[in-house]
Amino acid sequence: QKEVEQDPGPLSVPEGAIVSLNCTYSNSAFQYFMWYRQYSRKGPELLMYTYSSGNKEDGRFTAQVDKSSKYISLFIRDSQPSDSATYLCAMKLGAGGTSYGKLTFGQGTILTVHP
Amino acid sequence: KAGVTQTPRYLIKTRGQQVTLSCSPISGHRSVSWYQQTPGQGLQFLFEYFSETQRNKGNFPGRFSGRQFSNSRSEMNVSTLELGDSALYLCASSLERGAGTDTQYFGPGTRLTVL
Repeated sequence: QKEVEQDPGPLSVPEGAIVSLNCTYSNSAFQYFMWYRQYSRKGPELLMYTYSSGNKEDGRFTAQVDKSSKYISLFIRDSQPSDSATYLCAMKLGAGGTSYGKLTFGQGTILTVHP
Repeated sequence: KAGVTQTPRYLIKTRGQQVTLSCSPISGHRSVSWYQQTPGQGLQFLFEYFSETQRNKGNFPGRFSGRQFSNSRSEMNVSTLELGDSALYLCASSLERGAGTDTQYFGPGTRLTVL
């Protein structure tokens, strides 16, 4: 079983829809949670970074972390065709030791927003 | 501020050869991490360097190695290439202030094809 599970999709939604992307994880030692967006033939781009349980909002994006359920989500409001990409969740252990520089990624969800 | 740069962007090699990939981090960033991305396994952590020292290593064979120079630029080397080494190799840099909270910024990657 992978440490981080993410439904690869693909997910196809109409423009303007609310998109919900999710990841579950098994290692309760993960403390930092990120969402990256990756366009075709590009490197991942950081979208959201959270530490504690709860919600964090940035424009049309809301990241949600539930450490008790080991579950994180990313919501995209008013989705646009330009949001079409692969969305990757990533997690990091606390400082030091085996956490140095290591992010553990989900498989990525392919999202298409059609006009 | 310039982002993370990686050279070359594309590379074609044959089995048994070796290859060296280069990464220049964001100015001021001292930590460089390397990842391998494949359709089957997703993004997997290779290793991390800080102040010319490898601090962390993923579960890859010894054919994969790296180094970091005093200006924080990093190289990774793969010897005795196998077909399964075909992948997108991503480099990420971070400030690494020691608290574990620093985020990683990715380069565009080097697409390696092994024939």
